[in-house]
Amino acid sequence: QSVLTQPPSVSAAPGQKVTISCSGSSSNIGNNYVYWYQQFPGTAPKLLIYDNNKRPSGIPDRFSGSKSGTSATLGITGLQTGDEADYYCGTWDSSLIAVLFGGGTKLTVL
Amino acid sequence: EVQLVESGGGLVQPGGSLRLSCAASGFPFTNYWMSWVRQAPGKGLEWMANINQDGGVKYYVESVKGRFTISRDNAKNALYLQMISLRAEDTAVYYCARIGYSSSCMDVWGQGTTVTVTS
Repeated sequence: QSVLTQPPSVSAAPGQKVTISCSGSSSNIGNNYVYWYQQFPGTAPKLLIYDNNKRPSGIPDRFSGSKSGTSATLGITGLQTGDEADYYCGTWDSSLIAVLFGGGTKLTVL
Repeated sequence: EVQLVESGGGLVQPGGSLRLSCAASGFPFTNYWMSWVRQAPGKGLEWMANINQDGGVKYYVESVKGRFTISRDNAKNALYLQMISLRAEDTAVYYCARIGYSSSCMDVWGQGTTVTVTS
């Protein structure tokens, strides 16, 4: 059971928008930056969003991040079949002195 | 090209030891914190440990404290994870990652090395 809670799966049609939530507490999301990672089967994770809402170079603006209180959200617009992957949120926990990951969300583009 | 390449994984019996290595290239290794993250088969990401630039500060997930040791050799641009008293539940793909942008943000990942603990 992860300290950060994500829905196990989400789905939407091509071209549509989807959001993936990540819920935590004041010791982690509430007072630290949130990151989002994308992972395709059999490959290493890739950083999608850092510092709550910033995109590394090369990440399309279809991907966005936001944070409010102790929750964060990853948004993906203009869904493509190539976006089918697992998505993980991550942050630092100031009480545990540890990096936390959410349990991951599998995105299906129908 | 910024690159991290892990090695050292393999098959090991319960109670055994293994040392993973991560070779860094394409960036000033001494400027960055580094991290180990693992992923058990069919499971999510699990953070293992972080180490600061000079190796003087280390953080571990509670479940591996006393069994796993993170270290680095800045002269060799290398990161290590020494694992002892291995258990079946340590079976996973182990990734090394660079911490960039801000604290705990893993902006570069290696391809992973597989550790299988079985009798």
